[in-house]
Amino acid sequence: NAGVTQTPKFQVLKTGQSMTLQCAQDMNHEYMSWYRQDPGMGLRLIHYSVGAGITDQGEVPNGYNVSRSTTEDFPLRLLSAAPSQTSVYFCASSYSQGSNQPQHFGDGTRLSIL
Amino acid sequence: EDQVTQSPEALRLQEGESSSLNCSYTVSGLRGLFWYRQDPGKGPEFLFTLYSAGEEKEKERLKATLTKKESFLHITAPKPEDSATYLCAVQAGLTGGGNKLTFGTGTQLKVEL
Repeated sequence: NAGVTQTPKFQVLKTGQSMTLQCAQDMNHEYMSWYRQDPGMGLRLIHYSVGAGITDQGEVPNGYNVSRSTTEDFPLRLLSAAPSQTSVYFCASSYSQGSNQPQHFGDGTRLSIL
Repeated sequence: EDQVTQSPEALRLQEGESSSLNCSYTVSGLRGLFWYRQDPGKGPEFLFTLYSAGEEKEKERLKATLTKKESFLHITAPKPEDSATYLCAVQAGLTGGGNKLTFGTGTQLKVEL
């Protein structure tokens, strides 16, 4: 049982480049989300999805796009990378919208923007 | 705005030396308070969910408690393998943001022999 899988684990980009961070879960969870973790700050919600075809913005959505074409996958796209997007990105999933079941996290993608 | 403050930022203990980590919170209608453990280079690993004041949960050497304003993670007779960063997060009622978690900045625990 893999849980939440994120790829790649590490990535270095130049300013202005675009890329997609991949996230897949095999727990048939409806709810998926993306957080970023920066030193001295708690994890902050970027975007979330309550099911296939439905996405919404979180606390810090600017510069990021998401889509949810299947239950399993929830990719995060950086449109034009900026140094301020250097961070560790975590994908999480949980049973459903409105559930207070715990969210399960992947091991993150460490992204550096030069 | 929901807020979570964790203290201390860092804690160094000797093996067997019990202590407590604090998580103070303000939230508009608590749906759940979550404790996670995070090891270096890894994602947060779920430990406990607490739903209402007075509730307690235990797992091995860890015990989490909840009041209306704060939660404590008590570590009894810790071992070096308990060394990690412990994160606290709250989930508010359905006022938007889906199942959004608001996280504290964590307590970095180091247990030495």
